[in-house]
Amino acid sequence: GNSVTQMEGPVTLSEEAFLTINCTYTATGYPSLFWYVQYPGEGLQLLLKATKADDKGSNKGFEATYRKETTSFHLEKGSVQVSDSAVYFCALSVGFDSGGGADGLTFGKGTHLIIQP
Amino acid sequence: NAGVTQTPKFRVLKTGQSMTLLCAQDMNHEYMYWYRQDPGMGLRLIHYSVGEGTTAKGEVPDGYNVSRLKKQNFLLGLESAAPSQTSVYFCASSPRPPGAFFGQGTRLTVV
Repeated sequence: GNSVTQMEGPVTLSEEAFLTINCTYTATGYPSLFWYVQYPGEGLQLLLKATKADDKGSNKGFEATYRKETTSFHLEKGSVQVSDSAVYFCALSVGFDSGGGADGLTFGKGTHLIIQP
Repeated sequence: NAGVTQTPKFRVLKTGQSMTLLCAQDMNHEYMYWYRQDPGMGLRLIHYSVGEGTTAKGEVPDGYNVSRLKKQNFLLGLESAAPSQTSVYFCASSPRPPGAFFGQGTRLTVV
């Protein structure tokens, strides 16, 4: 089956530090990969996505590259801010030509990121 | 533009009671999903729908039923609530799979 493994949290960093949140996956097909962010008390928001190998998704200073050879989709940001404090979820979906399958997303367990001033 | 709206936001049920969670989207999306979020578990798919009048089971469907009588609404029902169904429930919709717009969640406690 499909699965997503991401680093356990919480991850605590100082403002302006470099961020990496690791994500690796196992998929029966050729997945599309996603990062979602959940701010306290809110639903999930799509942060970025990549639909084929070597694609780089980017948004709000975050980026992640789809690495088929290492089955990874690590999230990075060069300089984090206090406002980036949230829970980050890596997810995949398999099926269709791109974008993912009708049967929804497989999520990792989430990484709680805490940025201190 | 309201996006995806979930009703109610909070609910406490007694074991054995029933309830319906409503998800409404105003974006004319075909695909709709119900997930549950549990501590340390991420989100898991309960049921989904690929269009009006259609539903399908996800990863954890037991104890839940759904209906999609209107394109804009996706209802999640609990016929006989159990403490194991204490969770935060999220609805999502999308014009294409796998669902990019999430509601703000319903926090359900079963005592």
